[in-house]
Amino acid sequence: SYELTQPPSVSVSPGQTATITCSGDALPKQYAYWYRQKPGQAPVLLIYKDRERPSGIPERFSGSSSGTTVTLTISGVQAEDEADYYCQSADSSGMSWVFGGGTKLTV
Amino acid sequence: EVQLAESGGGLVKPGGSLSLSCAASGFSFTNAWMNWVRQAPGKGLEWVGRIKSKTDGGTTDHAAPVKGRFTISRDDSNNRLYLQMNSLKTEDTGVYYCTTDPRDCSGGNCYSAGFDHWGQGTLVTVSS
Repeated sequence: SYELTQPPSVSVSPGQTATITCSGDALPKQYAYWYRQKPGQAPVLLIYKDRERPSGIPERFSGSSSGTTVTLTISGVQAEDEADYYCQSADSSGMSWVFGGGTKLTV
Repeated sequence: EVQLAESGGGLVKPGGSLSLSCAASGFSFTNAWMNWVRQAPGKGLEWVGRIKSKTDGGTTDHAAPVKGRFTISRDDSNNRLYLQMNSLKTEDTGVYYCTTDPRDCSGGNCYSAGFDHWGQGTLVTVSS
């Protein structure tokens, strides 16, 4: 079955830039999406179609794509950004969605 | 305001059945693609399945671990999404979320614009 690979954890100091990667063989052909989930809460969509931001998401959240890897970049990290981050994409058939294992961001 | 409210979770024995419901409001449910996503305790997100709008065929796709056991359906007249779960296993334990899945057709072709709204989730516990 198709898998998306994320680092289990990323640590950054306040004000610095955090980068979270997600790797998958189908990523050159399928868009990626990013979500943030805080404890006890439902996930929130941060990025869609690799680099698009939904309304209400701050500009310091950005997405990029290069080959089989997509990246979520959080500029000027704040304490409130401490959370779990998940990437999502479709398999090569486009029929199934897959989530990455999640990355715990520690600020 | 978009609102999604799941219900129907609870404790069920292995091999049993449970039916979840998601009440939707604040958007055009009839035209919406919808998904179920689950999360086992302390674990990551797992996609369960999707149902397209009837305009787009109303077809369903289910993740491999639940295919043949779970069925997604919808009642557009009552703005409700359903998940019928049969032959439940202990590994089906978790919080089940319903999500919207809007379409972005700005570039000519249509793509998902991401799961932009989620309910609060309902807990399903499969245990003897």
